Amino acid sequence: EAQVTQNPRYLITVTGKKLTVTCSQNMNHEYMSWYRQDPGLGLRQIYYSMNVEVTDKGDVPEGYKVSRKEKRNFPLILESPSPNQTSLYFCASSLWDRTDTQYFGPGTRLTVL
Amino acid sequence: AQKITQTQPGMFVQEKEAVTLDCTYDTSDQSYGLFWYKQPSSGEMIFLIYQGSYDEQNATEGRYSLNFQKARKSANLVISASQLGDSAMYFCAMREGGTGANNLFFGTGTRLTVIP
Repeated sequence: EAQVTQNPRYLITVTGKKLTVTCSQNMNHEYMSWYRQDPGLGLRQIYYSMNVEVTDKGDVPEGYKVSRKEKRNFPLILESPSPNQTSLYFCASSLWDRTDTQYFGPGTRLTVL
Repeated sequence: AQKITQTQPGMFVQEKEAVTLDCTYDTSDQSYGLFWYKQPSSGEMIFLIYQGSYDEQNATEGRYSLNFQKARKSANLVISASQLGDSAMYFCAMREGGTGANNLFFGTGTRLTVIP
């Protein structure tokens, strides 16, 4: 089944404790992206990757890191989480064209205390 | 400037009636794609419908249709014969073409409630 998977689905952590949210897709997509969703703000892009070893900042990259060592995986790293990073996070993937639909993972709900 | 504007934070519709969710966009590109996603209370993002900037016909997918008015830069979602399961958040999004990264920009969403 074609899908984007994220883990964990739910995470409660404390300020400053490094964490990684994994994302994997099995559709051989070049393009992958991370978004955060906050009430009233819609989805905002954190980082994206157009292919292996090619990553770039989105609209809200501060406090986040990513890597793309393999085509299928695109982990999101929070080196020192803070309460303002409490949010719902989505990973998405697609082919690289304006016509291509982005497929989303199930979301990771992160709470930073 | 916002690339995608959804002016209706919340909408109500009677079951079996049709409803239109508004979306306007802002781009200087000639080549772009417009998307609608549904987010039920369970949280996942479900792709509904796509419209390309060069498509002359309005897109349709079952009970969903996209009312595309290019000159007005609007891409409204029409849901016909509303069902209780249509109650959800709906997001309009745009993916610009050209030589850039083709990132997807989202509006702030409209929460639709279907009343029995």
